Amino acid sequence: RKEVEQDPGPFNVPEGATVAFNCTYSNSASQSFFWYRQDCRKEPKLLMSVYSSGNEDGRFTAQLNRASQYISLLIRDSKLSDSATYLCVVNVGSARQLTFGSGTQLTVLP
Amino acid sequence: NAGVTQTPKFRILKIGQSMTLQCTQDMNHNYMYWYRQDPGMGLKLIYYSVGAGITDKGEVPNGYNVSRSTTEDFPLRLELAAPSQTSVYFCASSSLQAVSGNTIYFGEGSWLTVV
Repeated sequence: RKEVEQDPGPFNVPEGATVAFNCTYSNSASQSFFWYRQDCRKEPKLLMSVYSSGNEDGRFTAQLNRASQYISLLIRDSKLSDSATYLCVVNVGSARQLTFGSGTQLTVLP
Repeated sequence: NAGVTQTPKFRILKIGQSMTLQCTQDMNHNYMYWYRQDPGMGLKLIYYSVGAGITDKGEVPNGYNVSRSTTEDFPLRLELAAPSQTSVYFCASSSLQAVSGNTIYFGEGSWLTVV
């Protein structure tokens, strides 16, 4: 089993749609959780951290369920500019154990 | 505001050749990392450093070497290039370990092809 698994995608959604991505992690000692965004042929950039209480940043909502060991990202009112690959990232407490999921590709269609 | 700068951006190597990917950051970060990303895959950690003079292996260190003589620079050396090393390489830095929640900043990537 992979340490971090994401929805395989790709997700093709119309503009204005709501889309959700899930990510599961295998190590129960994981301490920090993030969503990164990666545009085509670009470097990953932090989208948002994920906190136990859940957190929201504009149209983006991240949730963490420690009991079930999964993280989710919800994007409301999708924009064309949201088209990218979304990487789930989990850290178990040291630089060596920062683990990236393989990413979920999102394409928002006009 | 340069952030993390890595060079070259593109390079084609022949099997058996050697090269160094350069990485420098101007944010005075203690932690620096080298990742590789194969098509459709997540990033895999090659080597990392927690400060000048200290380096350690990541998940996929074979075929690579690093050094950290200064806080700013963290070059990655490929000694005998192999086709399996064809990938996109990202250098990154952070001020604290990611466990603290501090973000990691990435360079723009280096596309390496070994033929």
